[in-house]
Amino acid sequence: GAGVSQSPSNKVTEKGKDVELRCDPISGHTALYWYRQSLGQGLEFLIYFQGNSAPDKSGLPSDRFSAERTGGSVSTLTIQRTQQEDSAVYLCASSLNREGSPLHFGNGTRLAVT
Amino acid sequence: GQQVMQIPQYQHVQEGEDFTTYCNSSTTLSNIQWYKQRPGGHPVFLIQLVKSGEVKKQKRLTFQFGEAKKNSSLHITATQTTDVGTYFCAGGTTTSGTYKYIFGTGTRLKVLA
Repeated sequence: GAGVSQSPSNKVTEKGKDVELRCDPISGHTALYWYRQSLGQGLEFLIYFQGNSAPDKSGLPSDRFSAERTGGSVSTLTIQRTQQEDSAVYLCASSLNREGSPLHFGNGTRLAVT
Repeated sequence: GQQVMQIPQYQHVQEGEDFTTYCNSSTTLSNIQWYKQRPGGHPVFLIQLVKSGEVKKQKRLTFQFGEAKKNSSLHITATQTTDVGTYFCAGGTTTSGTYKYIFGTGTRLKVLA
């Protein structure tokens, strides 16, 4: 595809349910990032994948959050037992693993926990 | 951990006035990138600075990277309503050949016609 694709674009879930958010990066991009953006706020780093290296999970806010990247391409961010404070836009970005390569962002998944 | 702060958090200007946002990192950076996020949109890459003291221009936008590679600024001359949005810096660090970007807190710009 031409750009980073995220699905779903919007998700409403009840508190306590699990959700899965998907990111399909640009073909050939070995680096993949997940960020969270609350309304009117900055981008909070969550997790970073680079090739076959162990992911940098240092930004995950709790053990309810996890992410996988299968085959070095598609990534899934899973939030278990969602809480209202998880409501935010979850943005995925991909890039080449080369200094200076810009991050290409998807349109995000807007998650609302009711 | 690494932190990247931006000031101001918000800025309202009259169309035609200048605007500057400042970015400060707690650690030395390999490079710095700037992004613009329009309301309701996602961040879009503007430019990257790599060298100490580097200055780059894009039309009315001037970007600087500090000598110590810990701070940066974006200056917009004669703002237009199309400049509305949130401007983020992203500090790049390199560890064992991998590149990680920590985004600044962002500056939201509103331009009044």
